[in-house]
Amino acid sequence: AQTIHQWPVAEIKAVGSPLSLGCTIKGKSSPNLYWYWQATGGTLQQLFYSITVGQVESVVQLNLSASRPKDDQFILSTEKLLLSHSGFYLCAWSLRDWAYEQYFGPGTRLTVL
Amino acid sequence: QQNVQQSPESLIVPEGARTSLNCTFSDSASQYFWWYRQHSGKAPKALMSIFSNGEKEEGRFTIHLNKASLHFSLHIRDSQPSDSALYLCANNNAGAKLTFGGGTRLTVRP
Repeated sequence: AQTIHQWPVAEIKAVGSPLSLGCTIKGKSSPNLYWYWQATGGTLQQLFYSITVGQVESVVQLNLSASRPKDDQFILSTEKLLLSHSGFYLCAWSLRDWAYEQYFGPGTRLTVL
Repeated sequence: QQNVQQSPESLIVPEGARTSLNCTFSDSASQYFWWYRQHSGKAPKALMSIFSNGEKEEGRFTIHLNKASLHFSLHIRDSQPSDSALYLCANNNAGAKLTFGGGTRLTVRP
């Protein structure tokens, strides 16, 4: 069975500080990987997707970056946090076909003060 | 650019009611249509999907797609308190970007 793990569970950070969020998927080889951002009670905004190691496509610019250093790992980061970065960050995976559903991780709750 | 609108934004219904959630989309080339459900503080989870015009039923849930009118809907029969959640419709074509609507927050009162 596939499992998706995100870390940390929650973060409280200061404006201007750096951030690194992680995601690992076990039990599935070469999945598509995605990062989403969700404002409290709001819609999901896709940020990045990756179909292979070392390759990441940006969907929307939010002063964030993403990397895929290993087949099962996806990292979201920024050098300088903004207040607008607060929210719920979700990692997801899917099979390598756009017709398959995306499976979401438990998420990381980020509060920027 | 794909635009997905959901209505209503929130809905309160009594237990046992039939509930209808609506979604309109702008890209007639969209191929894949999804409903996701997200309980409070949890990850979204796919509820149902449909890839061609028509209707699909799974238990108490029915989804309906009409590409000509750019309309997609979810109907819940005999609504239960456990159905209370944020419902998100989404669609995509042969590309990675899954576009979500703004969501409908459903509350089912016992």
